[in-house]
Amino acid sequence: DQQVKQNSPSLSVQEGRISILNCDYTNSMFDYFLWYKKYPAEGPTFLISISSIKDKNEDGRFTVFLNKSAKHLSLHIVPSQPGDSAVYFCAASGAYGQNFVFGPGTRLSVLP
Amino acid sequence: EAGVAQSPRYKIIEKRQSVAFWCNPISGHATLYWYQQILGQGPKLLIQFQNNGVVDDSQLPKDRFSAERLKGVDSTLKIQPAKLEDSAVYLCASSLVAIYNEQFFGPGTRLTVL
Repeated sequence: DQQVKQNSPSLSVQEGRISILNCDYTNSMFDYFLWYKKYPAEGPTFLISISSIKDKNEDGRFTVFLNKSAKHLSLHIVPSQPGDSAVYFCAASGAYGQNFVFGPGTRLSVLP
Repeated sequence: EAGVAQSPRYKIIEKRQSVAFWCNPISGHATLYWYQQILGQGPKLLIQFQNNGVVDDSQLPKDRFSAERLKGVDSTLKIQPAKLEDSAVYLCASSLVAIYNEQFFGPGTRLTVL
């Protein structure tokens, strides 16, 4: 039973364009959402997060949008750079960190 | 600042053998996590320690997996006996406090069970 879904296993975008990575969740008790980035042979690194009381959080080129009614969040990267090529994981947890779950990941390739 | 260290980086064993992984967290980090990442899936939390006490081990297959964190610093994760489906990358992470957006991950140990 996948509580956090990332339905696109891979995505390719041109350098300078926008990358949009999507994530859907099924557990309405999730209250905190995170995005991690992972390069090959390295552990994931935290990128950006959002709590359920907000619908948008921005950090430089990265913006996360949350639509609670649709149980959907997305990560926007603008402009995309070749160094952004990595696997991106969506993750979610309850308000107190309980039931922490990762999605299966989306591999982003930014083409020069 | 040194990151999270894990060893070995790679391990190949036969099924029914035993294996142990070691993790040294960032100095001063009270919270330590072990994750299992099967190919094509996201990491799954196996166990979370706060200092040397277990906070959450609800997804740890306790019939074959065990973990300890002696003196609230280093940790070992053991599988005994291993099964084919245990083939995965085992990730260790640590954080100063038990907040997921402050986790720092190690490079992982890739286990292959033949």
